[in-house]
Amino acid sequence: VQLVESGGGVVQPGRSLRLSCEVSGFSFSNYAMHWVRQAPGKGLEWVALISYDGGNKYYADSVKGRFTISRDNSRNTLYLQMNSLRAEDTAIYYCARDFDGRVTTPDIEYWGQGTLVTVSS
Amino acid sequence: NFMLTQPHSVSESPGKTVTISCIGSSGSIASNYVQWYQQRPGSAPTTVIYEDNQRPSGVPDRFSGSIDSSSNSASLTISGLKTEDEADYYCQSYDSTNLVVFGGGTKLTVL
Repeated sequence: VQLVESGGGVVQPGRSLRLSCEVSGFSFSNYAMHWVRQAPGKGLEWVALISYDGGNKYYADSVKGRFTISRDNSRNTLYLQMNSLRAEDTAIYYCARDFDGRVTTPDIEYWGQGTLVTVSS
Repeated sequence: NFMLTQPHSVSESPGKTVTISCIGSSGSIASNYVQWYQQRPGSAPTTVIYEDNQRPSGVPDRFSGSIDSSSNSASLTISGLKTEDEADYYCQSYDSTNLVVFGGGTKLTVL
């Protein structure tokens, strides 16, 4: 199982960024997927969850209305579109695979290595 | 909002046993599964316990999880402590609307 995030970098406040997570080693279309972030020196913060087929999506209050989680099962890729970025969005963003396809019992089995997003002018 | 509270830090000697608590703010913590993640310095998290007390393959049986309904808490117990167990540990659960919640994390020092 491999999860490889990309798309991080330095972006100005108010701008947008799209993160990608390319996966391999398992049947991507069978599993729910998460984005989790960690601000420098801080704890883990869950960001978003998407069901195996993309039909159900859930967001933390801190990003609702600004971030969009999506997936392309034909490309084995998970995405996070981040709009109206703020300084407090600065963090390492981890892509993570759930134990199964359900969103009713969200729990993480595998984690990527993360990609750093820095929001600064 | 549902919250999980962990002690900021714990410490114990090699070979001993340590328990890290995770207290639910409301409702019954036993109603939804609790997971535990280990994060060593400079590394991504890894899963050590899922569904309250299940160990993923490859996680040694020195790691165990439990639920105490009377105190509305979950616990991670690590026995036979090794220096490699020194890390941050996070509990995680979810609320009735499937929103995921992490505890604030506990720094384990093995000295």
